[in-house]
Amino acid sequence: GQQVMQIPQYQHVQEGEDFTTYCNSSTTLSNIQWYKQRPGGHPVFLIQLVKSGEVKKQKRLTFQFGEAKKNSSLHITATQTTDVGTYFCAGDNMRFGAGTRLTVKP
Amino acid sequence: GAVVSQHPSWVICKSGTSVKIECRSLDFQATTMFWYRQFPKQSLMLMATSNEGSKATYEQGVEKDKFLINHASLTLSTLTVTSAHPEDSSFYICSARGGGQGRGYSPLHFGNGTRLTVT
Repeated sequence: GQQVMQIPQYQHVQEGEDFTTYCNSSTTLSNIQWYKQRPGGHPVFLIQLVKSGEVKKQKRLTFQFGEAKKNSSLHITATQTTDVGTYFCAGDNMRFGAGTRLTVKP
Repeated sequence: GAVVSQHPSWVICKSGTSVKIECRSLDFQATTMFWYRQFPKQSLMLMATSNEGSKATYEQGVEKDKFLINHASLTLSTLTVTSAHPEDSSFYICSARGGGQGRGYSPLHFGNGTRLTVT
């Protein structure tokens, strides 16, 4: 079945530094969704990408969907302590990537 | 809007007993519900997908006779862990999705999860 691979597994940054997590699929996706799970919380939907090459922004977060619709990325500019959490991508069948756990040092 | 209520939030049971977990969509009709299992600091492992009124589709390696899923209405799905054993101890979390809206899929709305401990 369709699987999504996500890297890195962990990322520790200094506050103010940028952060990127990548998601790759072995098959073409019709859409990809991104979620954030805060420590002790449940995943919360961030965004969905549908179109080839699509780029969407949410304040300091930039989401991209590759031209071949097989990969995606989430980039956070100038991280803040409130960005701490695990970021997951999910493909069509709602199987989640391994997630990237982001910690931010103040 | 789009609230999913999961109950109980935590449960401790003895080995060999069964535990039922409920997942309700409070303000929307959930055409599809997903059940996940999450180990500490790990990803969400999809266990099964259920559509209202039909049998759940289980992921490979998930025992359907052990993890009984019922999606009897558009607002309620239940997961019953039968004859629980200590290795079933985990965090179980449900999510619900409404009907599709245009291109792509509606986002998943997650419950708060159930921490199951089997002694």
